[in-house]
Amino acid sequence: QLQLQESGPGLVKPSETLSLTCTVSGGSISSSSYYWGWIRQPPGKGLEWIGSIYYSGSTYYNPSLKSRVTISVDTSKNQFSLKLSSVTAADTAVYYCAGPGEFLDYWGQGTLVTVSS
Amino acid sequence: EIVLTQSPATLSLSPGERATLSCRASQSVSSYLAWYQQKPGQAPRLLIYDASNRATGIPARFSGSGSGTDFTLTISSLEPEDFAVYYCQQRSNWPPRWTFGQGTKVEIK
Repeated sequence: QLQLQESGPGLVKPSETLSLTCTVSGGSISSSSYYWGWIRQPPGKGLEWIGSIYYSGSTYYNPSLKSRVTISVDTSKNQFSLKLSSVTAADTAVYYCAGPGEFLDYWGQGTLVTVSS
Repeated sequence: EIVLTQSPATLSLSPGERATLSCRASQSVSSYLAWYQQKPGQAPRLLIYDASNRATGIPARFSGSGSGTDFTLTISSLEPEDFAVYYCQQRSNWPPRWTFGQGTKVEIK
């Protein structure tokens, strides 16, 4: 059974870059036809898809965030990562990694990232 | 861009009652729709995929139906642990984009 775990700083300053990593265990991140994604949830609000990376390395981003988002994969570590640049208070949210398909069977526990000086 | 609209925003019911949640897509998504349950402080959990298939370990009281633009999640008899927020989700074919509805909260009456 797959397990996903987010890691990264819980506090980021405005205008800086948010960086998170998702470690996948119980299976290979490079398995065929897998999508790995990042979803966020501002406090008290709904779910917002940030972007996804296909097992081949192709990336797909939410158009509303595309200019600030980079998702990458490190197959040697069985990890994929999120970078969100020029953050503001509006980026404060619980960030989840999830996968591995078009429907998200497996989720990390989520990590709260607060944007504040 | 496909928009998913869930209704109602809040459903107030008692344990043992039937819950009917709606998700409407702005254009046809065929049967490529999922439902998730989220409890406070927890990650979402996949309940239904492909509109009507229960995910592994999901009780039979949860069922999904619909195709095209109109979908329904039904909980036949609410258990205390079913009071939560429910989201629908679809993935567009090309380019791949994931979209969530805004959620329906099922609360104890």
